[in-house]
Amino acid sequence: DGGITQSPKYLFRKEGQNVTLSCEQNLNHDAMYWYRQDPGQGLRLIYYSQIVNDFQKGDIAEGYSVSREKKESFPLTVTSAQKNPTAFYLCATYRENTGELFFGEGSRLTVL
Amino acid sequence: QKEVEQDPGPLSVPEGAIVSLNCTYSNSAFQYFMWYRQYSRKGPELLMYTYSSGNKEDGRFTAQVDKSSKYISLFIRDSQPSDSATYLCATDTGGFKTIFGAGTRLFVKA
Repeated sequence: DGGITQSPKYLFRKEGQNVTLSCEQNLNHDAMYWYRQDPGQGLRLIYYSQIVNDFQKGDIAEGYSVSREKKESFPLTVTSAQKNPTAFYLCATYRENTGELFFGEGSRLTVL
Repeated sequence: QKEVEQDPGPLSVPEGAIVSLNCTYSNSAFQYFMWYRQYSRKGPELLMYTYSSGNKEDGRFTAQVDKSSKYISLFIRDSQPSDSATYLCATDTGGFKTIFGAGTRLFVKA
């Protein structure tokens, strides 16, 4: 089945710890995205990558880091510098000829 | 001012009602307009996609774009409890960057 796999689905973290969220895709799409979703605020763009070994900051990149070493993978690290990391994180790919975003099932991060 | 404004609701309607969901946007350069549906604890999925002003129909769903007033609408006819979800309007300029509204939570009561 083609799609996007995010893991873990649920994650608990103590304050001061870094955590990495995994995103893997087999849709063969070049562009990948990380969004953060908070209640009543829609989706806010954290980072995006249009091609391997290249990525750009989105609107709320502070406290986050990414890498894009392979086309299939775009992991997101939530660092201890992120002041309010508790949120629902969504990874997506972009199909260029239609402009459609395909989303994973999300990872819910809770900081204790 | 946000680039895409959407009332987060919640909106509660009885089964069979016609639902109207709306967004406004500020940038006249936006060309593509989309509605995504998101069920609880899931990722959004594309529901409707339009490029120009006018209406686009798909079954019980109609997407409407009015570029002159920068207004986007989604109508759901004969709403069902299975339509209960969050509906996100979205737009982009065709340049890899999609901008989302806040999402409207819809509850359809049986």
